[in-house]
Amino acid sequence: DGGITQSPKYLFRKEGQNVTLSCEQNLNHDAMYWYRQDPGQGLRLIYYSQIVNDFQKGDIAEGYSVSREKKESFPLTVTSAQKNPTAFYLCASSDTQRMETQYFGPGTRLLVL
Amino acid sequence: EDKVVQSPLSLVVHEGDTVTLNCSYEVTNFRSLLWYKQEKKAPTFLFMLTSSGIEKKSGRLSSILDKKELFSILNITATQTGDSAIYLCAVEPGAYNTDKLIFGTGTRLQVFP
Repeated sequence: DGGITQSPKYLFRKEGQNVTLSCEQNLNHDAMYWYRQDPGQGLRLIYYSQIVNDFQKGDIAEGYSVSREKKESFPLTVTSAQKNPTAFYLCASSDTQRMETQYFGPGTRLLVL
Repeated sequence: EDKVVQSPLSLVVHEGDTVTLNCSYEVTNFRSLLWYKQEKKAPTFLFMLTSSGIEKKSGRLSSILDKKELFSILNITATQTGDSAIYLCAVEPGAYNTDKLIFGTGTRLQVFP
């Protein structure tokens, strides 16, 4: 089945630790995105990538890093510089050539111990 | 600054009621407006609206866009408990080389039997 997968479902981070959230898609979409969701804030864009080996900062990129070495993969690292990482993280992808809407993965909930 | 504002923030109704959710926006170079339903995890796509005055319908849900007044509404008739969710509105600016979505904070709908 085609779709977007995120792992893990839940992730616990200790103070000062970097953690990486996985996002994989087999939809052959060229663009991928990472959003963060906090209560009362809607979804906010962290990073996005429209082609392999290229990505741009979104609205709240500080404390995060990404890579796009393969078309189907767009991992997000939450670094120790992110002081308030507890949130629900959603990955999305889209086919920009066909101008389709974004499709979302199931999400990863990150909690700080 | 581009922004999307949804109202009300929260809505509580009884089964069978009809609800109207509002989304207003201010963006440069508007391309499309999208509605998503978010239950426990990832948002699921409902509608994409690009033209004013054309109603999109799916079962008990319908939506329409007014590009002159810069808003959209999402109507749900004969609500059911399964309609309980957060409804997100997002706008896609049409600026070159970006497919970012700008999300509103969402409307939390609770439908009681």
